[in-house]
Amino acid sequence: QKEVEQNSGPLSVPEGAIASLNCTYSDRGSQSFFWYRQYSGKSPELIMSIYSNGDKEDGRFTAQLNKASQYVSLLIRDSQPSDSATYLCAVNGDGGNAGNMLTFGGGTRLMVKP
Amino acid sequence: ETGVTQTPRHLVMGMTNKKSLKCEQHLGHNAMYWYKQSAKKPLELMFVYNFKEQTENNSVPSRFSPECPNSSHLFLHLHTLQPEDSALYLCASSHTSGIYNEQFFGPGTRLTVL
Repeated sequence: QKEVEQNSGPLSVPEGAIASLNCTYSDRGSQSFFWYRQYSGKSPELIMSIYSNGDKEDGRFTAQLNKASQYVSLLIRDSQPSDSATYLCAVNGDGGNAGNMLTFGGGTRLMVKP
Repeated sequence: ETGVTQTPRHLVMGMTNKKSLKCEQHLGHNAMYWYKQSAKKPLELMFVYNFKEQTENNSVPSRFSPECPNSSHLFLHLHTLQPEDSALYLCASSHTSGIYNEQFFGPGTRLTVL
């Protein structure tokens, strides 16, 4: 059973601070990793993808991947109240021609307080 | 229309009703997915279609019946559902093959079974 674990939170940070969200996964063969943001009552929105060890930056977001330790993290710099949402970590479950089957974590709820 | 669309956005049905959910993607993708999101549970993959062929059925009860007439359209036919089937049903699409393809979600259908 492939598993993706996230702390459910809520993670509360003050406006302007760095929010750090973490995710661990069980399948050592996983090769692609995604972060989705989901506002209450809405569908998940893809915000970051990462495939290689190290950091990947996109605006205020940085994804970090460490395959040896089987964790992936998302840093949000200069957090804004509009960043308040649930962040879902997703890991590819299988490759090849069957499509990209993702396993999702339960999500971390982030609250950014003004 | 752009992206992934789903209709209806909200659906209330009795346990003896038959209804269908519709998904359409305008992204030129070849793989489409149905997910179920229940309260306090991770996103659960239900079905995967790759080039109109079902490649994954994640042990879903037969009261859920998918149909994929072409790469742009996906349906989920519902009959004799149970109250525990009440959830947000999400459709997603991606390019096919390879493990790096990102999935994009539609807005979802909020289903309530009475």
